[in-house]
Amino acid sequence: NAGVTQTPKFQVLKTGQSMTLQCAQDMNHEYMSWYRQDPGMGLRLIHYSVGAGITDQGEVPNGYNVSRSTTEDFPLRLLSAAPSQTSVYFCASSSTSGRGSNNEQFFGPGTRLTVL
Amino acid sequence: QQQVKQSPQSLIVQKGGISIINCAYENTAFDYFPWYQQFPGKGPALLIAIRPDVSEKKEGRFTISFNKSAKQFSLHIMDSQPGDSATYFCAASLGYGQNFVFGPGTRLSVLP
Repeated sequence: NAGVTQTPKFQVLKTGQSMTLQCAQDMNHEYMSWYRQDPGMGLRLIHYSVGAGITDQGEVPNGYNVSRSTTEDFPLRLLSAAPSQTSVYFCASSSTSGRGSNNEQFFGPGTRLTVL
Repeated sequence: QQQVKQSPQSLIVQKGGISIINCAYENTAFDYFPWYQQFPGKGPALLIAIRPDVSEKKEGRFTISFNKSAKQFSLHIMDSQPGDSATYFCAASLGYGQNFVFGPGTRLSVLP
């Protein structure tokens, strides 16, 4: 299993440009999420999905869109990039098999995004 | 109420020493408390986790102590090693642990 994969690893954008951060998992996990990591602020939840066709907002959703057409993929779209979106982005997935499960979230390697 | 506080921001420990990182939360509905370890350039990885029905959980050199009445939990790393040098995040979640609230992180440096 490759686990959670993210592409690209690095990206530089100009203000106003759009792009999509890709995330895929091969563990058949129902739950997937996107976090951003900024110095001194830990990881903050952007959007999440509990299954194909279902998405919801997290703590910091503004400026980002998501969709979940398949169990495996959960892309994050920046419609009009702003310097405030300079960050490291992590995708994560976990099983929703219930309270007796491990509940471990598996994180991808991250995408480092710079918006000029 | 969703915030998780974490201290210290950074920690320097000698090899063989004990590293202690503390976290506090407000929301009494949280029912899953994991600790994640992150090395530079990598994504966070689960280190150890606890549910509020136990006061302590130990896995090798890593122990979580949980104080439900004080709404605090801590990570103890015994016999700290240079390879433990990383950033550690505490977190808390509701329900089945899907939406996590993370602390701001502690950068641990273990000197050889």
